[in-house]
Amino acid sequence: EIVLTQSPGTLSLSPGERATLSCRASQSVSSSYLAWYQQKPGQAPRLLIYGASSRATGFPDRFSGSGSGTDFTLTISRLEPEDFAVYYCQQYGSSPATFGQGTKLEIK
Amino acid sequence: QLQLQESGPGLVKPSETLSLTCTVSGGSISSSTYYWGWIRQPPGKGLEWIGSINYSGSTYYNPSLKSRVTISIDTSKNQFSLKLSSVTAADTAVYYCARGTTLAAGANWGQGTLVTVSS
Repeated sequence: EIVLTQSPGTLSLSPGERATLSCRASQSVSSSYLAWYQQKPGQAPRLLIYGASSRATGFPDRFSGSGSGTDFTLTISRLEPEDFAVYYCQQYGSSPATFGQGTKLEIK
Repeated sequence: QLQLQESGPGLVKPSETLSLTCTVSGGSISSSTYYWGWIRQPPGKGLEWIGSINYSGSTYYNPSLKSRVTISIDTSKNQFSLKLSSVTAADTAVYYCARGTTLAAGANWGQGTLVTVSS
């Protein structure tokens, strides 16, 4: 099973700042089958990034994903108030699919 | 617009079987492109992939739950279902259904339903 470790656990930033979230895998993720989800309180997760770097429908271009192998990054170039949420990475290249423990992005 | 809706008991007794159904509207569950999956989230914790199924009944399960999980599909009703046997308090969670690929949860999720395991 591939273990995903997200860092930091909590990230405190102000609107307008740049956010960099990390997801590190215990083994190489096949074919960059790495996704990012955004979850707000009381809501289901929303697919944000798939294939490590493809942005899902409905998300602006301030969100970007990068990485390959065992190291992946989600970058939010300039934080808006609605971006503060919990972000999860998921690998879906090998069974079982696994999620990271999440990074909480909070307003400073 | 595709919508998924979970339904089932919100309270299950320990050692019994948790049963949930996901009803799909706005699209056909018989599409060969997608798998239909279940994911759960204990209160205040992270996400766990349970398993998935396609239109022909081909399944993938998380090995940590495989001995207790059955996912089935009913294309005539545009529904798929989850059964989790011998539940304990550790199975208390919000259960989500989703449309994705074999292992990916994908872009379409239900709103989730809280299932509490308690006597």
